[in-house]
Amino acid sequence: GEDVEQSLFLSVREGDSSVINCTYTDSSSTYLYWYKQEPGAGLQLLTYIFSNMDMKQDQRLTVLLNKKDKHLSLRIADTQTGDSAIYFCAASETSYDKVIFGPGTSLSVIP
Amino acid sequence: KAGVTQTPRYLIKTRGQQVTLSCSPISGHRSVSWYQQTPGQGLQFLFEYFSETQRNKGNFPGRFSGRQFSNSRSEMNVSTLELGDSALYLCASSPTGSGANVLTFGAGSRLTVL
Repeated sequence: GEDVEQSLFLSVREGDSSVINCTYTDSSSTYLYWYKQEPGAGLQLLTYIFSNMDMKQDQRLTVLLNKKDKHLSLRIADTQTGDSAIYFCAASETSYDKVIFGPGTSLSVIP
Repeated sequence: KAGVTQTPRYLIKTRGQQVTLSCSPISGHRSVSWYQQTPGQGLQFLFEYFSETQRNKGNFPGRFSGRQFSNSRSEMNVSTLELGDSALYLCASSPTGSGANVLTFGAGSRLTVL
């Protein structure tokens, strides 16, 4: 089955860019997602990308997809202290398939 | 539009007991998924229900079960609780249209097993 991997921790200074990386194993994954979880809360969808796209930009967020290497990244421009949270990469094969999550990357933003 | 509501938010049980958790999805969402979140294992998929039928299932023992009602509300049950069942249980609902399976999560039910 699908396996999604991420580095567990990332620390950046306020104002810098953050890049969170993710790899997945199933080349059949059609949809790739980024979710954010703040302390004491559930997960919140940030953005998603369809596998026929290479890049998607949404305000401060840029998602890059390298389908050949099965590698996904999330770039947060001008990172703020409010961006401190756990970021989850996830994948699903179809719109009716289960969504499999990575272990999450804990982002710490240093003022 | 009301979000996904999970009850109870916190509960404490002892080994051997059973527990039932409830999830009310966003109005109009017919799919409900359940996940177990622990520090060691991350987010593990339990099962997904759509139109009162289990459509997808994760790799959990039969002690974990669920159901969905005709109004799309869902419950999950864990019988014969073990210490390792202590976790945050997250429910998520999604619409039924084509395209990405965009999940909207509730705040979770935190279960502690003593």
